[in-house]
Amino acid sequence: DAKTTQPPSMDCAEGRAANLPCNHSTISGNEYVYWYRQIHSQGPQYIIHGLKNNETNEMASLIITEDRKSSTLILPHATLRDTAVYYCIVRYRNYNTDKLIFGTGTRLQVFP
Amino acid sequence: ETGVTQTPRHLVMGMTNKKSLKCEQHLGHNAMYWYKQSAKKPLELMFVYSLEERVENNSVPSRFSPECPNSSHLFLHLHTLQPEDSALYLCASSYSGTAVYGYTFGSGTRLTVV
Repeated sequence: DAKTTQPPSMDCAEGRAANLPCNHSTISGNEYVYWYRQIHSQGPQYIIHGLKNNETNEMASLIITEDRKSSTLILPHATLRDTAVYYCIVRYRNYNTDKLIFGTGTRLQVFP
Repeated sequence: ETGVTQTPRHLVMGMTNKKSLKCEQHLGHNAMYWYKQSAKKPLELMFVYSLEERVENNSVPSRFSPECPNSSHLFLHLHTLQPEDSALYLCASSYSGTAVYGYTFGSGTRLTVV
């Protein structure tokens, strides 16, 4: 399974952009990068995913490097409600199984 | 609500009890998953069901017994648990076989074994 590496914690001022990095140097050509977040004691919430190209939705933007070995999740205007643990995951698939393997994630603290 | 409903939200059980956790989805997904999250630890994948067939069991003790009677329902039967089994148990569903869609998680069942 492709592994990911994230910093354990980050701080961000409210209203500023939060840039969360992730390394996935062993990613395979057909594996997608997913980002989820988990607010305290709730189920993880899907944010965004991508394969090669940069992606944007109403929640965030995902920037994937050309060699696909790393990516950055961008929350353009962080709010206090964005305080959570953010997980970068490479979705593992073979012919009969499909799974998301979570790491330890980055704990993002947004402060006033 | 995410479309994946877990019941009960909270459960306290003794070590000799038998209980079941329930997960239900009406998103048309064909794969369902059980995860365990112990305090200050990452989510651990326990079981994977694809098209109602168990395709993965990650060395989970036999005191946890999953059941998937159809593509919309998933159960986790619990018996003779230990205090270290206290955790948040999360259910998720997805379209297996395509990476286009993400997983949808329920809110979890907070289990306390006394």
